[in-house]
Amino acid sequence: DTGVSQNPRHKITKRGQNVTFRCDPISEHNRLYWYRQTLGQGPEFLTYFQNEAQLEKSRLLSDRFSAERPKGSFSTLEIQRTEQGDSAMYLCASSSTGGFSEQYFGPGTRLTVT
Amino acid sequence: AQSVTQLDSHVSVSEGTPVLLRCNYSSSYSPSLFWYVQHPNKGLQLLLKYTSAATLVKGINGFEAEFKKSETSFHLTKPSAHMSDAAEYFCVVDNFNKFYFGSGTKLNVKP
Repeated sequence: DTGVSQNPRHKITKRGQNVTFRCDPISEHNRLYWYRQTLGQGPEFLTYFQNEAQLEKSRLLSDRFSAERPKGSFSTLEIQRTEQGDSAMYLCASSSTGGFSEQYFGPGTRLTVT
Repeated sequence: AQSVTQLDSHVSVSEGTPVLLRCNYSSSYSPSLFWYVQHPNKGLQLLLKYTSAATLVKGINGFEAEFKKSETSFHLTKPSAHMSDAAEYFCVVDNFNKFYFGSGTKLNVKP
């Protein structure tokens, strides 16, 4: 399967713990995006990378959140000191650089903070 | 600023009848627009995209959408619904590579 993959698919953690999610994009795509989706809502943009450079971050991304894409391939999203409000589906997408490029989404990581 | 409004949170149709999912957008420039579908426990899948070429865009599974600049609309249609079309549909506007999603429309298809 050459689509976008995300791990883990599900994560349950206690409030205050740190969690890290991984995204592997489609191999030839140099753009990678993170979104957050809560129940009953559409996904909300968090941040995106072009190669290893993080080009933009949403105001939704508090200082407890950090994302990296060290070699321009896979990416990690870390949440420190999780809060119950962080419970959501975290989606990763990738695209090529060309104009009007559609984004291809992974299956998501569902985070539950207890 | 770019934004998307999906006018119906739920739509219910009978199998074999037409589908209409409504979307209005707000954009300060000529936007790229997309429709994505999300089946339960599946990832988001692209249905179709508008990128300033033809205003009537055909997508997968018999869906199509018409870009109407005067109405700032990008409604999704299908002539005949199938049971397999039951899912949640998202209208999306592209703001310089950041996607802004509508809140979604859940389509129910009755036998």
